[in-house]
Amino acid sequence: DAGITQSPRHKVTETGTPVTLRCHQTENHRYMYWYRQDPGHGLRLIHYSYGVKDTDKGEVSDGYSVSRSKTEDFLLTLESATSSQTSVYFCAISESASGVETQYFGPGTRLLVL
Amino acid sequence: DAKTTQPPSMDCAEGRAANLPCNHSTISGNEYVYWYRQIHSQGPQYIIHGLKNNETNEMASLIITEDRKSSTLILPHATLRDTAVYYCIVRTYSGNTPLVFGKGTRLSVIA
Repeated sequence: DAGITQSPRHKVTETGTPVTLRCHQTENHRYMYWYRQDPGHGLRLIHYSYGVKDTDKGEVSDGYSVSRSKTEDFLLTLESATSSQTSVYFCAISESASGVETQYFGPGTRLLVL
Repeated sequence: DAKTTQPPSMDCAEGRAANLPCNHSTISGNEYVYWYRQIHSQGPQYIIHGLKNNETNEMASLIITEDRKSSTLILPHATLRDTAVYYCIVRTYSGNTPLVFGKGTRLSVIA
């Protein structure tokens, strides 16, 4: 599992409230990613980071912000949660071996926005 | 957009080989074929990847056609725990670009 943890694992919140999800890794990987997964859509990239304080947008970044102040933590923030952000959120890291890069995923966070 | 085509679902009897096909007719010379799977409620799990040679690891074998336009993931002795959605993904081997997931194949292993 490449030492990836996500917190919380489950969360229920109300529309309009801020929510922050945390991804933590223990192996000093440079690249980290946030995906969301919804029925009928598969996994879609929200944001990713290629180093401390270096982030970029993915396919579905509207309504989300991220921060990476240290290598091991990548935070995903919903500034004002909406029901359309009810989803399962997965964090991933990127690991390279023999010149080939592979991504490994965390266990996911289930978010319900009422 | 996903660059691969997979059947939406397949069944396999427990103990038999599961052969999951994937078409990637527009694959470029520097693109690898990756396979991941996702067991219900869990994060995607890396299985195997290859460029042009057939590959085998402890989980599966990957057979890539000579023209590289299609591939087959083989689970040699499927078990009930192999029931999952299997994703075939084509991407370059470097640059740490995000994965693009399609709909995958839902494999049901039947006792």
